[in-house]
Amino acid sequence: QAVVTQEPSLTVSPGGTVTLTCGSSTGAVTSGHYPYWLQQKPGQAPRTLIYDTSNKHSWTPARLSGSLLGGKAALTLSGAQPEDEADYYCLLSYPGAWVFGGGTKLTVL
Amino acid sequence: EVQLVESGGGLVQPGGSLRLSCAASGFTVSSNYMSWVRQAPGKGLEWVSLIYSDGTTYYADSVKGRFTVSRDNSKNTLHLQMNRLRAEDTAVYYCACMWMVADYWGQGTLVTVSS
Repeated sequence: QAVVTQEPSLTVSPGGTVTLTCGSSTGAVTSGHYPYWLQQKPGQAPRTLIYDTSNKHSWTPARLSGSLLGGKAALTLSGAQPEDEADYYCLLSYPGAWVFGGGTKLTVL
Repeated sequence: EVQLVESGGGLVQPGGSLRLSCAASGFTVSSNYMSWVRQAPGKGLEWVSLIYSDGTTYYADSVKGRFTVSRDNSKNTLHLQMNRLRAEDTAVYYCACMWMVADYWGQGTLVTVSS
């Protein structure tokens, strides 16, 4: 199965902007991979923030946005808040399989 | 209110079997894409299995041939039959309804494979 790659860790300053990316071993990530972005905080189940590249749930903060950027899926956080510190996972859909990335540990410091 | 409640986790010896259940309320399991996702201690998320509303099933290579996903429509419940368990199957197993506007997750059930 394909391998999905993410930055292992990133740090952003409060109020700053950061972009997390999600690549695929099979080539460019496209809308056909229906990219998802999930957030997980310690001791909690994950929850989806972005689905189908750029669609937000009702609970998704406006400061988060999803896109395709340079052959990868991207999650951009503009105006980071302390509560954004968490693990972020990208999920891509392939024929007959879904694959998670290894996750990005985002520190707000 | 939508709720997913997993059960059936526990300690099992290598080579053994376990059946996980996920009871749903507030929505219909058979009408949705239902997934199993696991997370080994201190590790990231791993997709395990998916069952479409039409009954089509898919599995990660790591569990193919050993795990079977099914649903009991009369009880609105999702199951994961896990056979020939290995130490590397040790994880918290989450059931989830995660497709487009739907995003429902259970609290997870811990499976420990150890002698």
